[in-house]
Amino acid sequence: QSALTQPPSASGSPGQSVAISCTGTSSDVGGYDFVSWYQQHPGKAPKLLIYEVTKRPSGVPDRFSGHKSGNTASLTVSGLQAEDEADYYCASYTGTHYYVFGGGTKVTVL
Amino acid sequence: DVQLVESGGGLVQSGGSLRLSCAASGFRYSDFWMSWVRQAPGKGLEWVANIKGDGSETYYLNSVKGRFTISRDNALNSVYLQMNFLRAEDASLYYCVRYGYTAAFDLWGQGTMVTVSS
Repeated sequence: QSALTQPPSASGSPGQSVAISCTGTSSDVGGYDFVSWYQQHPGKAPKLLIYEVTKRPSGVPDRFSGHKSGNTASLTVSGLQAEDEADYYCASYTGTHYYVFGGGTKVTVL
Repeated sequence: DVQLVESGGGLVQSGGSLRLSCAASGFRYSDFWMSWVRQAPGKGLEWVANIKGDGSETYYLNSVKGRFTISRDNALNSVYLQMNFLRAEDASLYYCVRYGYTAAFDLWGQGTMVTVSS
């Protein structure tokens, strides 16, 4: 049950794109298409952004997109906006109803 | 409204016990797996435990196995986390979370804080 690996920080100017990686193993990210992403603003509860690697819940802007290749998943935020400044976490199913989160990435809008 | 509301957090001595509660509303509660996810101050998210809709299956983070017990009462639309033998490293904000049809944690409460003193 080791945490997935995310870069601690990422940044971009308004209108630019930023990509966040989430690296696991063949036992979690690489083994299942159950990777999800969460956005957390300071002092707030996390919010689901992406599920099943690429899908967006109703109400999440299409500026947020997910992808996976091998043991690494990624979240891309296109057309950065000030309100996108937040912490982002990935999560993966690891089998037998166990789950693991990434360490989180702080996104700064310059 | 669709929501989860946690309660029961507080200050407890190392080795002590605490029971967290979470009340759900606005959805068919018994249809869903429910989870507890925690976040230590300034740290990332950590999945702790989950329970099937009918309560027949439970799963735990290795470090809490044998000390924490997740349970639910579908008549009261509530899920609980009994925490025994608490350690300093258990100090966190504990979120009650719904595991939805999306195969993801799709509904979060606001959290209840657990502080462990030595």
